[in-house]
Amino acid sequence: EDQVTQSPEALRLQEGESSSLNCSYTVSGLRGLFWYRQDPGKGPEFLFTLYSAGEEKEKERLKATLTKKESFLHITAPKPEDSATYLCAVQEWDNAGNMLTFGGGTRLMVKP
Amino acid sequence: DTEVTQTPKHLVMGMTNKKSLKCEQHMGHRAMYWYKQKAKKPPELMFVYSYEKLSINESVPSRFSPECPNSSLLNLHLHALQPEDSALYLCASIQGEMGAGGATGELFFGEGSRLTVL
Repeated sequence: EDQVTQSPEALRLQEGESSSLNCSYTVSGLRGLFWYRQDPGKGPEFLFTLYSAGEEKEKERLKATLTKKESFLHITAPKPEDSATYLCAVQEWDNAGNMLTFGGGTRLMVKP
Repeated sequence: DTEVTQTPKHLVMGMTNKKSLKCEQHMGHRAMYWYKQKAKKPPELMFVYSYEKLSINESVPSRFSPECPNSSLLNLHLHALQPEDSALYLCASIQGEMGAGGATGELFFGEGSRLTVL
């Protein structure tokens, strides 16, 4: 059974204090790993897709990386508006219907 | 801005009511999903429609009844719900190439419908 574990569950940062969020996964064959941002009471907003180990993608202050066992979401010099829950999800090759298995999320709070 | 539109944004209903949640996308996506999300938990898959046919039902109680009238619309009919069904209901569609194993690509979510069952 697919397992996706995110750590930490919650993270408090000062504005400008860079850090990383972790997503560890166990699947028989990774089709894709997805990062989403979710604001309270809203739907998840797509950020990145990573398909193979060694791949990296960047968007503004965010950079996602992928290894064979985990993905990191690096946040450089965060701002208060980066506060949100960050979800990672994996899709497996044997997975009919393209179901995503979500991790529990990391709640990020950036204080000014 | 999300291109998956859900209505209503908020819904309060009694346990004997019948109501519906609606979802619409005009991106030409051929697979659409219903997810349920409780507070501080990740989304849980309920149903998947692929080419307007129900392809996955994750053992959802029959008080939830999905419907896909056409490739752009997805409904979730609600009847005799319980207070524990209160949650954020998310619709999503998938961009990507449809193959034998389904579509490959990113899932795009709507803003959700916040349901409260009294």
